[in-house]
Amino acid sequence: KQEVTQIPAALSVPEGENLVLNCSFTDSAIYNLQWFRQDPGKGLTSLLLIQSSQREQTSGRLNASLDKSSGRSTLYIAASQPGDSATYLCAVNSGNTPLVFGKGTRLSVIA
Amino acid sequence: DGGITQSPKYLFRKEGQNVTLSCEQNLNHDAMYWYRQDPGQGLRLIYYSQIVNDFQKGDIAEGYSVSREKKESFPLTVTSAQKNPTAFYLCASSPNRGIFGNTIYFGEGSWLTVV
Repeated sequence: KQEVTQIPAALSVPEGENLVLNCSFTDSAIYNLQWFRQDPGKGLTSLLLIQSSQREQTSGRLNASLDKSSGRSTLYIAASQPGDSATYLCAVNSGNTPLVFGKGTRLSVIA
Repeated sequence: DGGITQSPKYLFRKEGQNVTLSCEQNLNHDAMYWYRQDPGQGLRLIYYSQIVNDFQKGDIAEGYSVSREKKESFPLTVTSAQKNPTAFYLCASSPNRGIFGNTIYFGEGSWLTVV
């Protein structure tokens, strides 16, 4: 059974710092991996989707990488801003079952 | 605007009561899902449906029931058999049935509290 782990559980950084969030998964036979953002008490917003054949995806200040063979993905946030404060969740997709989510990393960017 | 609408946003349930959470989408998506989120936790799958009149249990289906009579609607009933129902419930949908490889879209969630 697929399991997804995110480290660290919480992270606090000063504004302007570059940071990396980590996601690992136990079964490398995935179809794709997605990163989501969740603001407190809200639903999830998709940030980036990486297909299993891709190594990385970029959107603005966000860059997500995927190393399927080692079961790892990272989300890199450049020049962090207070508006980036949220919980970031990683989810993997095996194609024939719905998404399996990690517990998320709660990010605080301090002005 | 296209999207997923969940209602109510906040709901209080007395012990022994059944309650139903509504989820409606106008995205013309085939697949719909219900997830539960507890504080500081990730999302756990309750039920999902890939097509009208068909649905499958997720990892934590006990104490819950669903129906999919229309493509647009996927209501979730939290029954009295669910012993710890206080949580944040999220409904989602995605375009293709049979394969889950497309981006998934979420509603704004419903908070359920047992009083």
